[in-house]
Amino acid sequence: QKEVEQDPGPLSVPEGAIVSLNCTYSNSAFQYFMWYRQYSRKGPELLMYTYSSGNKEDGRFTAQVDKSSKYISLFIRDSQPSDSATYLCAMSGKITSGTYKYIFGTGTRLKVLA
Amino acid sequence: NAGVTQTPKFRVLKTGQSMTLLCAQDMNHEYMYWYRQDPGMGLRLIHYSVGEGTTAKGEVPDGYNVSRLKKQNFLLGLESAAPSQTSVYFCASSYSAGVSTDTQYFGPGTRLTVL
Repeated sequence: QKEVEQDPGPLSVPEGAIVSLNCTYSNSAFQYFMWYRQYSRKGPELLMYTYSSGNKEDGRFTAQVDKSSKYISLFIRDSQPSDSATYLCAMSGKITSGTYKYIFGTGTRLKVLA
Repeated sequence: NAGVTQTPKFRVLKTGQSMTLLCAQDMNHEYMYWYRQDPGMGLRLIHYSVGEGTTAKGEVPDGYNVSRLKKQNFLLGLESAAPSQTSVYFCASSYSAGVSTDTQYFGPGTRLTVL
């Protein structure tokens, strides 16, 4: 079983739709949860991060963490064609004394159709 | 402020050839990383460095070597390239690791093909 699971997609939605992207993980040591956005032929860039459980909102984007279920989500409201990209979840935490782990999901490719 | 830059952007090698990928950052970051990204595999950590003069192995280090002689530069070397090393290579840097607001800043990537 992979430590982080993410559906690769592709996910195609019409402009204006609400998009839900998800990851599951297995290591309960992860405390910090990030979402990166990667446009085609570019490097990933941080979109949002959350600490532990709860929600965080930034404009049209909402990140949600449910540590009890080991499940994280990114919601995009009023999706735009410019949101078309690959979204990678990432998480990090202290695995052993003095050792941190930072791991990425495989990414979900999103296409928003005009 | 250029952020993280990578040289070259593209390269084609023959099996057995060697090359060095250069990463430079101007954000005074302590930590630097080399990843490879392959379809269906996501980003996999090759090597990383926690400061000038230090390096450590990541998840997939075999066939690669690294050096961090200067804080701003992190070099990735392939001594004898193999077709399995065909990939997109990303360099990243961060102020530190394991901090709640830590962010990894990525370069634009190097597309390497080994024939």
